[in-house]
Amino acid sequence: EVQLVESGGGLVKPGGSLRLSCAASGFTFSSYSMNWVRQAPGKGLEWVSSISSSSSYIYYADSVKGRFTISRDNAKNSLYLQMNSLRAEDTAVYYCATLAAAQTRWGQGTLVTVSS
Amino acid sequence: QSALTQPASVSGSPGQSITISCTGTSSDVGSYNLVSWYQQHPGKAPKLMIYEVSKRPSGVSNRFSGSKSGNTASLTISGLQAEDEADYYCCSYAGSSSYVFGTGTKVTVL
Repeated sequence: EVQLVESGGGLVKPGGSLRLSCAASGFTFSSYSMNWVRQAPGKGLEWVSSISSSSSYIYYADSVKGRFTISRDNAKNSLYLQMNSLRAEDTAVYYCATLAAAQTRWGQGTLVTVSS
Repeated sequence: QSALTQPASVSGSPGQSITISCTGTSSDVGSYNLVSWYQQHPGKAPKLMIYEVSKRPSGVSNRFSGSKSGNTASLTISGLQAEDEADYYCCSYAGSSSYVFGTGTKVTVL
């Protein structure tokens, strides 16, 4: 069974940092581009970042460029999101997802709350 | 990237058909046949209902169908059922491995 399990969320003060992880299983992780998508409380979905299967290509939404860093470890079947200089508007549930047509899969999400 | 525009809410009675529109630009919806639709129930992760404009993943009811014309994509739910009550989001590829989501539509079954 395909599974994506996010972890690392929590409460952090404005200006602080947090590292999210996503553990993948049940599919050939190293063959897929991966994405982070977030959803602020009561709001819609927002694409955050993507990374190609070999980490050669990395893209970010303008809202997080320069503050967030996406990475992956194919040997560990894991995806990461390093979040620095966090702001209140970064408060959201963060999902990792494949967004790969019929092979699209989403994790259950991890909540990040940025508040003093 | 601006969010794709969807109606905030759509409602219908059981058995009826409803259509949700998703309007983008020539840089996203209009440029790629890579529009997908997601259903999201409260507190749950999004579920893929349609991909590549009109294709249904295995296990998704054929009551769900998708189409596209120009910069606007549409999701139609026929034979509306109580379990279809949820939020629906469209999503389009926008180039350079980036994606843009719609503003979301709350579907209410009367």
